Amino acid sequence: DADVTQTPRNRITKTGKRIMLECSQTKGHDRMYWYRQDPGLGLRLIYYSFDVKDINKGEISDGYSVSRQAQAKFSLSLESAIPNQTALYFCATALGGSSTDTQYFGPGTRLTVL
Amino acid sequence: KQEVTQIPAALSVPEGENLVLNCSFTDSAIYNLQWFRQDPGKGLTSLLLIQSSQREQTSGRLNASLDKSSGRSTLYIAASQPGDSATYLCAVRLEYGNKLVFGAGTILRVKS
Repeated sequence: DADVTQTPRNRITKTGKRIMLECSQTKGHDRMYWYRQDPGLGLRLIYYSFDVKDINKGEISDGYSVSRQAQAKFSLSLESAIPNQTALYFCATALGGSSTDTQYFGPGTRLTVL
Repeated sequence: KQEVTQIPAALSVPEGENLVLNCSFTDSAIYNLQWFRQDPGKGLTSLLLIQSSQREQTSGRLNASLDKSSGRSTLYIAASQPGDSATYLCAVRLEYGNKLVFGAGTILRVKS
């Protein structure tokens, strides 16, 4: 089984709908991240969490909210989806802050907002 | 604000060629630089991580260099194969929070 899983893998929704994307990990990592990827742009950080009680905004948090239900679960919500939130969304995890620590990514969720 | 640029945006080469992908960043105050590979439907996989105190890292046919003072990194792929076809992303880690700043990527196609 994959270490970092995302559900759903694909979602089509309509403008104004509330959407939740879920991320689960079995790596035992404390740090979790949500990114979005748009064509021609790099991944951009939406939110990140260092543990269950620590949630931080990234560079593009407007229109999004998150919930860290447990060490292994980190959910991203779009309260009222709009078409420019159509993108590929990635969840990632990391062990800690060492200069050699890398992030491990899930397979992504492709979200289309009509 | 840290910005990361990758050149070229896309590259198509015949099998067997050696190739170089370029990455530049605007702020030299980084902890490390990573090269990732992205395959459709499979997320990102870390290929090489170069710490700020290092000059290069090698893994098999891949070699990545880092010149922090000039804000540049290159990924060298030797004897390219069709299986190397993917998008290659460069990312720098900021000093706080293990946050990564990504470039837009280079789409590589290796033709058999």
